[in-house]
Amino acid sequence: DSGVTQTPKHLITATGQRVTLRCSPRSGDLSVYWYQQSLDQGLQFLIQYYNGEERAKGNILERFSAQQFPDLHSELNLSSLELGDSALYFCASSPTWGTNEQFFGPGTRLTVL
Amino acid sequence: GQNIDQPTEMTATEGAIVQINCTYQTSGFNGLFWYQQHAGEAPTFLSYNVLDGLEEKGRFSSFLSRSKGYSYLLLKELQMKDSASYLCAVRDGNFNKFYFGSGTKLNVKP
Repeated sequence: DSGVTQTPKHLITATGQRVTLRCSPRSGDLSVYWYQQSLDQGLQFLIQYYNGEERAKGNILERFSAQQFPDLHSELNLSSLELGDSALYFCASSPTWGTNEQFFGPGTRLTVL
Repeated sequence: GQNIDQPTEMTATEGAIVQINCTYQTSGFNGLFWYQQHAGEAPTFLSYNVLDGLEEKGRFSSFLSRSKGYSYLLLKELQMKDSASYLCAVRDGNFNKFYFGSGTKLNVKP
């Protein structure tokens, strides 16, 4: 158990819908990262937040957005969902923005039908 | 752009040594990471290299050559539980982005 929690564990929805994935970092960690892992594209870095502010942006689609709240939990919002958005979404946390080791949560499996 | 290559799959015998290679091309470089991921589980951190040379941590070692854009992960005294995917990742030095390879699935056989 890494100490990072993600909810929900599984999510099944339809195309065109919007969902919110939630992540609580390890106690004391200020930085949160979001990743998407699909079978055909491997692990893709989406975005990083540090202490409430966006720190780095990867291949995140415009239909996706994220934020980190004052209590440091983070949410990833996915809208206008497409079949290709079906994937495992991981959240990771680290103590600071440049820390080497990231601790990954168990992931949220999103299925878009 | 960024390009990270690693073999798709490898097979090795319990008790043996296996080396998993990773080559990368990035516009900026600020560290190379190795993660282990068992099927259906989250990745777990194994090692980090930012300077050339070998970093050893128990049965696992990781090597980096920045001039060659090359790294390897060395696993010694293989155990059945080492059967997993091994992900090579590079941190971009300019924007703190992370780029992962597709992973190498290691099968350890008795």
